[in-house]
Amino acid sequence: SQQGEEDPQALSIQEGENATMNCSYKTSINNLQWYRQNSGRGLVHLILIRSNEREKHSGRLRVTLDTSKKSSSLLITASRAADTASYFCATDGGAQKLVFGQGTRLTINP
Amino acid sequence: DTAVSQTPKYLVTQMGNDKSIKCEQNLGHDTMYWYKQDSKKFLKIMFSYNNKELIINETVPNRFSPKSPDKAHLNLHINSLELGDSAVYFCASSQDLVAGVNEQFFGPGTRLTVL
Repeated sequence: SQQGEEDPQALSIQEGENATMNCSYKTSINNLQWYRQNSGRGLVHLILIRSNEREKHSGRLRVTLDTSKKSSSLLITASRAADTASYFCATDGGAQKLVFGQGTRLTINP
Repeated sequence: DTAVSQTPKYLVTQMGNDKSIKCEQNLGHDTMYWYKQDSKKFLKIMFSYNNKELIINETVPNRFSPKSPDKAHLNLHINSLELGDSAVYFCASSQDLVAGVNEQFFGPGTRLTVL
């Protein structure tokens, strides 16, 4: 069954605003990753956060992890048109595989 | 200098045909994967290989047969194609076998349409 579920399924904001996406998962994890997928392309890794970490930053990205609530959030600050893409969380759902959510489709309006 | 490459990018074929998708990575990774992404963007693992050895077969019909001639290549052969096989297939690789330890690098995808 699906491990991660992103919320919202779709998000549309104005350029310059911040975008927040959430991910919930069901079982214990070692790590959680976020990926971006531009239309018609493969997934690109954004950030990995370990289960003993609560927050991680990479440029305009900020990821938080709350293992007690089995949830993570991805914040993109000062959004740009180029951030328009689908964003997926992925967890190590059992050994040796990543389990992806269905993604949040983010649209940045100019 | 593409890290993970797949061919072809598009594949349109009739029901019942047999087709193959090729994947190559030049990252020196030990582990390679095949994923299927359906029309709702749900991405699901199909297979993983580590050093040419099958590790994961995620209850995929046996019409799908992966083949890894060496650790840089993982091809996917599909027999007797069905309408439900229409999807985008992604190849990926990672340094280690243990999921979540390292990022996975994805190919550009192969859009398969079965008519």
